[in-house]
Amino acid sequence: AQTVTQSQPEMSVQEAETVTLSCTYDTSESDYYLFWYKQPPSRQMILVIRQEAYKQQNATENRFSVNFQKAAKSFSLKISDSQLGDAAMYFCAYRRAGVNTNAGKSTFGDGTTLTVKP
Amino acid sequence: DAGITQSPRYKITETGRQVTLMCHQTWSHSYMFWYRQDLGHGLRLIYYSAAADITDKGEVPDGYVVSRSKTENFPLTLESATRSQTSVYFCASTGQYTGELFFGEGSRLTVL
Repeated sequence: AQTVTQSQPEMSVQEAETVTLSCTYDTSESDYYLFWYKQPPSRQMILVIRQEAYKQQNATENRFSVNFQKAAKSFSLKISDSQLGDAAMYFCAYRRAGVNTNAGKSTFGDGTTLTVKP
Repeated sequence: DAGITQSPRYKITETGRQVTLMCHQTWSHSYMFWYRQDLGHGLRLIYYSAAADITDKGEVPDGYVVSRSKTENFPLTLESATRSQTSVYFCASTGQYTGELFFGEGSRLTVL
């Protein structure tokens, strides 16, 4: 079974600084997706960034970027120029690719609570 | 409006009562899921469905029942609610080639 581990229950960052959230995963599959989701106090789950395992290039979305190390099974999220609105819980997630009945399932880490200090 | 909606958003019930949480999506996504979120546990998969009439257990299925007679609906029933089922429940959907999950707004259930 796939597992996703976020080893940092809490992180804090000064506004305008950079912070990196860690995530490791375990799988025997070669084709999969990885995601970071943000959950602000509103409770809504929001996709931050996605990475397809077959792509060597690290995904970026504005101030958010990932460091995807497939061999090490590591998928960290870097937030640059942190803003107060970035304060939230962040979840790392894994999803197996393909079209069989198990392919759609996603496994989540336990989350990292990010505090942004003004 | 297109999207995924859950109802009710908030529910208080008593131990032993039956409760059904509804989930409806308008994208015709193949896959639908029910997760529960508790402090310290992240999101744990209760049940999922790959298509209409195809459902399977997730990580924590005990005490829950699902059905999927139509692609767009995936109700979750607690047949006899227990206090340990107090949680926030999220419904989600995704397509075969979509990648990410699309979440509903969550349903907060309190069992007294």
